[in-house]
Amino acid sequence: DAGVIQSPRHEVTEMGQEVTLRCKPISGHDYLFWYRQTMMRGLELLIYFNNNVPIDDSGMPEDRFSAKMPNASFSTLKIQPSEPRDSAVYFCASSFVTAYNEQFFGPGTRLTVL
Amino acid sequence: DAKTTQPPSMDCAEGRAANLPCNHSTISGNEYVYWYRQIHSQGPQYIIHGLKNNETNEMASLIITEDRKSSTLILPHATLRDTAVYYCIVRRQGAQKLVFGQGTRLTINP
Repeated sequence: DAGVIQSPRHEVTEMGQEVTLRCKPISGHDYLFWYRQTMMRGLELLIYFNNNVPIDDSGMPEDRFSAKMPNASFSTLKIQPSEPRDSAVYFCASSFVTAYNEQFFGPGTRLTVL
Repeated sequence: DAKTTQPPSMDCAEGRAANLPCNHSTISGNEYVYWYRQIHSQGPQYIIHGLKNNETNEMASLIITEDRKSSTLILPHATLRDTAVYYCIVRRQGAQKLVFGQGTRLTINP
């Protein structure tokens, strides 16, 4: 398996533009997580899905952020409109239910909002 | 989930054992100790986890004190590729969320 795939790897956009980040989880995994990492706040969980259903979105910072998982092999995180403070590395991770629920992380998308 | 405390940074010589401590004095009986690491510019990577017994895998060993209030991750023969930020996380059995702290930045020196 190729692991968790994220695209794009780097995104530079201007304030006010819509940004869409994409994630393909590992096949067979039934949990998908979106994290954000900044120097100031570290690594934060934004939202996670189980079997394509959002379970906990309490980490989503505000209404400008939305996430969807239309099927088991694809998820998006959208920011509209984007702001400079959204600049961060966004990670997607997936897991399947085991005794210890190990999460497998993707390489991340580095977002810069000018 | 219980809070964890780790030193912000540590150094270790290549080839020596790296011992990374973690304090989790408020851990509950049904909470596991997990370790992840994040190599620069990569996503975090699972290392090992344990409940109360010492654990060992191909990457590391985890030593948990008898009272479970602290633990130590041991990398037996550290290499330069082990330079990373190491996160100690306490998570309730069956829970899905991982709450990352600031971790320990481990630098392996040649």
